[in-house]
Amino acid sequence: QVQLQESGPGLVEPSQTLSLTCTVSGGSVTSGGYYWSWIRQRPGKGLEWIGYIFYTGSIYYNPSLTSLFGISLDTSKNQVSLNVDSATAADTAIYYCARSSWKRAWFDPWGQGTLVTVSS
Amino acid sequence: QSLLTQPPSTSGTPGQRVTISCSGSGSNIGSNTVHWYQQLPGTAPKLLIYNNNQRPSGVPDRFSGSKSGASASLAISGFQSEDEADYYCAAWDDSLNGPVFGGGTKLTGL
Repeated sequence: QVQLQESGPGLVEPSQTLSLTCTVSGGSVTSGGYYWSWIRQRPGKGLEWIGYIFYTGSIYYNPSLTSLFGISLDTSKNQVSLNVDSATAADTAIYYCARSSWKRAWFDPWGQGTLVTVSS
Repeated sequence: QSLLTQPPSTSGTPGQRVTISCSGSGSNIGSNTVHWYQQLPGTAPKLLIYNNNQRPSGVPDRFSGSKSGASASLAISGFQSEDEADYYCAAWDDSLNGPVFGGGTKLTGL
């Protein structure tokens, strides 16, 4: 079955770019008509959808979030990436990637998540 | 502040029926399907209920979901200690043009 695995730096200094990768195994990011989402969970808080990408390159971001997000897809590596420009302490969170579908709040499966701390 | 409102916490005793509510509006629950996620301590969320009341393979049948108008509920019939977790509802929001989550409900055992 499809499995997702996030990877990232763990610690990022304020104002730097936070870069995360989600590696998909057991299936292709280009098949099935699925979208690939990033979701974050700040310490002790709930889930926030950041955005998602389709293999055609269509990208949608949560308009209510103020961080500078960039989502991209590398089909040759079967990976989805997330960049957060000019990171601040408010971007400290566990970041999850998940498979999703258009116009539904359905996310399955999820990666195990990667904790990123923004601090000097 | 989330567009979907859940109680912050609830509790249950073994064998008890527990329900968790999720209140939204016409732009989300009222016009789209609801999905529920279970997050056990220290783990990633897991899809528990999809399309209002469908259980993925492997989810015990003591978990059920329902929806009426702009509200939804998750029920656990026969609470077990292993059900202690955070539960989140989610639905697509037509105004935001994206999915939204409820604030989460922490379920603890008594």
